[in-house]
Amino acid sequence: QSVLTQPPSASGTPGQRVTISCSGSSSNIGSNTVNWYQQLPGTAPKLLIYSNNQRPSGVPDRFSGSKSGTSASLAISGLQSEDEADYYCAAWDDSLNAVVFGGGTKLTVL
Amino acid sequence: QVQLQESGPGLVKPSETLSLTCAVSGYSISSGYYWGWIRQPPGKGLEWIGSIYHSGSTYYNPSLKSRVTISVDTSKNQFSLKLSSVTAADTAVYYCARETTVGNWFDPWGQGTLVTVSS
Repeated sequence: QSVLTQPPSASGTPGQRVTISCSGSSSNIGSNTVNWYQQLPGTAPKLLIYSNNQRPSGVPDRFSGSKSGTSASLAISGLQSEDEADYYCAAWDDSLNAVVFGGGTKLTVL
Repeated sequence: QVQLQESGPGLVKPSETLSLTCAVSGYSISSGYYWGWIRQPPGKGLEWIGSIYHSGSTYYNPSLKSRVTISVDTSKNQFSLKLSSVTAADTAVYYCARETTVGNWFDPWGQGTLVTVSS
């Protein structure tokens, strides 16, 4: 069982806006920044969002991140078929002294 | 452009030691950042194993700490992972990645290498 909790699946149709939640605690999300990774089928994870809401160069502005208290969210607007992937949240945990990941959310574009 | 490439045996016997190396190109490890290992069992999620600074300072996932050793060779611009006493539960794709010292995000990642633990 992962320290950070994500829904196992999410779905949407092309053009829709979808959000993926990531729930943690005061020792991780509540006191540290959240990062998000996208893992396309058969490939290595790729950094999607860092420091809660920052996009690396090359990541479309359709992807956005936010954090409130002990939860974080990833939003994808204008959903495209190529967004079909697994998405993971991650953060440092002060109690565990470890980087912790969410269990991942499989996004399906219908 | 920073690139990372994992290498090592794809098959390890139970109770033996898993050894992997990550070669870094396009950036000198000595210039900074942490360098980390993350694994992903087949069909499952990501698990951070541990990270090392160019100075050799390390920090490990407490759940694996007793079995993990990460080292760095700045002359070869590479870092390595050793995981002892492996079992079938250690079968996974192992990734290496560059990690920021503040914020702990990983970017970029290597392509990953599958290590199977089986006799």
